[in-house]
Amino acid sequence: GENVEQHPSTLSVQEGDSAVIKCTYSDSASNYFPWYKQELGKGPQLIIDIRSNVGEKKDQRIAVTLNKTAKHFSLHITETQPEDSAVYFCAAKAGGYQKVTFGIGTKLQVIP
Amino acid sequence: NAGVMQNPRHLVRRRGQEARLRCSPMKGHSHVYWYRQLPEEGLKFMVYLQKENIIDESGMPKERFSAEFPKEGPSILRIQQVVRGDSAAYFCASSPSEGAGELFFGEGSRLTVL
Repeated sequence: GENVEQHPSTLSVQEGDSAVIKCTYSDSASNYFPWYKQELGKGPQLIIDIRSNVGEKKDQRIAVTLNKTAKHFSLHITETQPEDSAVYFCAAKAGGYQKVTFGIGTKLQVIP
Repeated sequence: NAGVMQNPRHLVRRRGQEARLRCSPMKGHSHVYWYRQLPEEGLKFMVYLQKENIIDESGMPKERFSAEFPKEGPSILRIQQVVRGDSAAYFCASSPSEGAGELFFGEGSRLTVL
């Protein structure tokens, strides 16, 4: 089955700096790669996703890149703000009736 | 349009009791997933259901755990004879189809076993 590795597990950045979280996956059949943000006491929420036919996607201060050959994808957050502090999960999914497999999560702390 | 509703939000059980967690998916969604989250751990897949069918239960422990998603009513995750190691947050997510990527998560049910 699919295995998703994520690092770092914790990340502290100064407000205004950039944050980068990296993930690798094992199943070459995976073609959908979402990123979720989980605030304390809440359920995860999708913040951005990318499909395998695209190499990069951007939405305001967040961007995701995908390298299918190397089987890795990354989340980039620019101009970080205190409200970006949360746990971020990467995930991977193949098509059809396949489950979504999550990484272990990255706890991001943005220091004002 | 209400989101994914989970109840109870918090549940306390003594060892050996049964825990029953409910999940109502978003309107129009017929696919439900259950994940377990332990402190400092990620989201561990448990089971994937479509109405009246179990699609994938590869993450579900073979004993004491069961899940259903009947034609009418919410999906239910049942844990029999709970042990302290079952203490965790259990999240339900729904999607409109098997090909849809985005999962919509509920707020979770936090089970504490005394």
